Amino acid sequence: EVQLVESGGGLVKPGGSLRVSCAASGFTFSNAWMSWVRQAPGKGLEWVGRIKRKSDGGTTDYAAPVNGRFTISRDDSKNTLYLQMNSLKTEDTAVYYCTAGLGFSDMDVWGKGTTVTVSS
Amino acid sequence: QTVVTQEPSLTVSPGGTVTLTCASSTGAVTSDYYPNWFQQKPGQAPRALIYSTSNKHSWTPARFSGSLLGGKAALTLSDVQPEDEAEYYCLLYYGGAQAVFGGGTKLTVL
Repeated sequence: EVQLVESGGGLVKPGGSLRVSCAASGFTFSNAWMSWVRQAPGKGLEWVGRIKRKSDGGTTDYAAPVNGRFTISRDDSKNTLYLQMNSLKTEDTAVYYCTAGLGFSDMDVWGKGTTVTVSS
Repeated sequence: QTVVTQEPSLTVSPGGTVTLTCASSTGAVTSDYYPNWFQQKPGQAPRALIYSTSNKHSWTPARFSGSLLGGKAALTLSDVQPEDEAEYYCLLYYGGAQAVFGGGTKLTVL
């Protein structure tokens, strides 16, 4: 069974940092393009960014609001995706979802999400 | 800043047909934008329904279909069921390096 499990969310002060993780199972993680999507309370979905598989260069792309503050990385030996968030702002408060592209699109399957709250 | 626009809300009767649309502020939506559609029910994570305009995932009910319609991406639900009541989001890709979600359509089955 394909599974994505996010972890590491929590409460952090504005200007602080946090790293959230996504543990993948049930598919060949190293072959997947992986993405992060967030959803602020009561709001819609927002694309955060993506990392390609290493055979496609392993490059990353980011949405403008997080570019330069957030970094997406992957550890294929651990089947884990990461999102390092620095210089956090109150508007970064959201549920952060991990998604995997299994060969059809970038976001074929989704995790249940982890909640990040930025507040003083 | 690119904006992707969807109808904020739509209502459909059980057994009826409804079409949701997805427009881009940059102009007509084509297959080059690889339109995707997702369904989200309250308290749940989103679920992928349609990719690359009209392709269904193995778990997508046959009553859901995707297309291009009048310069927009479209999601049509036929023979709507009560369990189809949900928020629906489209996603468009720009230049292969950026993706933008629409604001979502709240579909009520009444």
